[in-house]
Amino acid sequence: GEDVEQSLFLSVREGDSSVINCTYTDSSSTYLYWYKQEPGAGLQLLTYIFSNMDMKQDQRLTVLLNKKDKHLSLRIADTQTGDSAIYFCAETTGTASKLTFGTGTRLQVTL
Amino acid sequence: SAVISQKPSRDICQRGTSLTIQCQVDSQVTMMFWYRQQPGQSLTLIATANQGSEATYESGFVIDKFPISRPNLTFSTLTVSNMSPEDSSIYLCSVLWTSSYEQYFGPGTRLTVT
Repeated sequence: GEDVEQSLFLSVREGDSSVINCTYTDSSSTYLYWYKQEPGAGLQLLTYIFSNMDMKQDQRLTVLLNKKDKHLSLRIADTQTGDSAIYFCAETTGTASKLTFGTGTRLQVTL
Repeated sequence: SAVISQKPSRDICQRGTSLTIQCQVDSQVTMMFWYRQQPGQSLTLIATANQGSEATYESGFVIDKFPISRPNLTFSTLTVSNMSPEDSSIYLCSVLWTSSYEQYFGPGTRLTVT
């Protein structure tokens, strides 16, 4: 079955770049997503990438996909205190479109 | 994007009772999903709710416990039946835009069972 892993915690200083990593096991993944969850809030879709791409950039966010290693990363440039949240990666496979979520990475931004 | 609302936003319920959660979308969508997020955990898919067909449940979730309705393309309900403290979670609905494969989530319903 599918398995999506993330490191639990990341601490960065304000203004630095953050890199959140995700590994998955299902080689038939079609779309891979990054969501942000702030305390007590729902999930905000940040960005997503189709499996035939290896990079996608959207303002401060850069997504890198290495299909060979089944590794996905999210880079946040110029990290701000408002970026403090839990970040989930998720994948879909085939046409089912149901999301399999990673374990989540808590990003802490310090001054 | 989609504007998705859920009712109630939170509730405290007694063991053995049932709660129906509503999910309303501001546009017509074919594919809707219900997820559960247990305290401190990631999200797990409960079922897929497509209009015009029976809901499809994931392993570990059954219709008797989590009946779902999908009467039209903008609305769905999830009922949590015969609740126990283990059902205390956040329940979230989501929708998929098949044109872009973007998936959006509602704000969630925080359920506490005492």
